[in-house]
Amino acid sequence: AQTVTQSQPEMSVQEAETVTLSCTYDTSESNYYLFWYKQPPSRQMILVIRQEAYKQQNATENRFSVNFQKAAKSFSLKISDSQLGDTAMYFCAFMTAYSGAGSYQLTFGKGTKLSVIP
Amino acid sequence: NAGVMQNPRHLVRRRGQEARLRCSPMKGHSHVYWYRQLPEEGLKFMVYLQKENIIDESGMPKERFSAEFPKEGPSILRIQQVVRGDSAAYFCASSPAGGARLEQYFGPGTRLTVT
Repeated sequence: AQTVTQSQPEMSVQEAETVTLSCTYDTSESNYYLFWYKQPPSRQMILVIRQEAYKQQNATENRFSVNFQKAAKSFSLKISDSQLGDTAMYFCAFMTAYSGAGSYQLTFGKGTKLSVIP
Repeated sequence: NAGVMQNPRHLVRRRGQEARLRCSPMKGHSHVYWYRQLPEEGLKFMVYLQKENIIDESGMPKERFSAEFPKEGPSILRIQQVVRGDSAAYFCASSPAGGARLEQYFGPGTRLTVT
């Protein structure tokens, strides 16, 4: 079974600064997908960014980028030019790329609470 | 272009009562997933359904919990004889058919409180 670990329960960052959230995972598979989801106080789960394990290039979405280190099984999220609206819980998640039982489940970490300070 | 809809947003039940949570997937989506989020935890997979079929219920508690996704109407997550430990946020996600499982879109969740 896959596991996802987020070792930083809480973090804070000054507005306009850059912050990096850590995520590590454990799997024996070679092909899979990794995600970062944002959960603001409204509790709506919002997909921030997605990475396919077979792609070497790190994914980017505007101010959000990832550092994907496959050998180290590490998948960190960098938020540049932090904004007050980035205040939220951030969850790292894993999904296998293989078909079969469990292949559509997202496995989530426990989350990191990010506070952006004005 | 409505997103995934869940109702009610908040539900309070006394111990022993039944809770029914509804999820209407996005238009054109035929796959539904239910996840549960306990306080201070990430989301945990419960069940995956397609129209009229339960595909995987490996994350569902063995007793008191059931789910359905009928041909017509929303998907229902039903919890019988609720206990305090069932208090959690329940999220529904939907995706289109054809293996596009990367595109799981989440609803706003239902927060169940058992008193």
